[in-house]
Amino acid sequence: DGGITQSPKYLFRKEGQNVTLSCEQNLNHDAMYWYRQDPGQGLRLIYYSQIVNDFQKGDIAEGYSVSREKKESFPLTVTSAQKNPTAFYLCASSINPGQVLIYGYTFGSGTRLTVV
Amino acid sequence: DQQVKQNSPSLSVQEGRISILNCDYTNSMFDYFLWYKKYPAEGPTFLISISSIKDKNEDGRFTVFLNKSAKHLSLHIVPSQPGDSAVYFCAASEEMGYKLSFGAGTTVTVRA
Repeated sequence: DGGITQSPKYLFRKEGQNVTLSCEQNLNHDAMYWYRQDPGQGLRLIYYSQIVNDFQKGDIAEGYSVSREKKESFPLTVTSAQKNPTAFYLCASSINPGQVLIYGYTFGSGTRLTVV
Repeated sequence: DQQVKQNSPSLSVQEGRISILNCDYTNSMFDYFLWYKKYPAEGPTFLISISSIKDKNEDGRFTVFLNKSAKHLSLHIVPSQPGDSAVYFCAASEEMGYKLSFGAGTTVTVRA
């Protein structure tokens, strides 16, 4: 079955530590995205990548970094510079732009990060 | 500044009746609109979409209406079923296939 796998589902981090969230897809999608969800708010875009070895900042990129070395993988690193990292993080991918209106984005099941 | 707004955080509806979810947007450059459904601790799943060249799109029990002049869209679910109880997000994009801006979501509860 094709889909997006995010791991781990729950993650605890001490203040001052960097942590990397994994996102892998086997849908052969070109574009991948990272969103953050906070209580009572919509999903906010952190970073996105339309092709391998290329990525762009979203609306709230400060304190985060990404890489896109393989089509299937788009890991997100939450650095110690991110002031409020506790949130629910969602990874998504999309087929070629011409078919997004038919299929939408495909989302993973999310990683809940808690800073302790 | 949130460009997509869902002003009703929750909606309760009786099974078999119509659910109407509303969404307003401020960015006149938005041309593509999508609705997503989300269960707790899961990722959102795509429901239905509409482009700005249309004012209505139907898919089974789900219909989306777009009023571009009012910068408003709505999702109708008829008839509502218990499995429809979830959070519904409205999303919009300026260009097809690129980054989506999401609303805060509306939690729908379908009562038996």
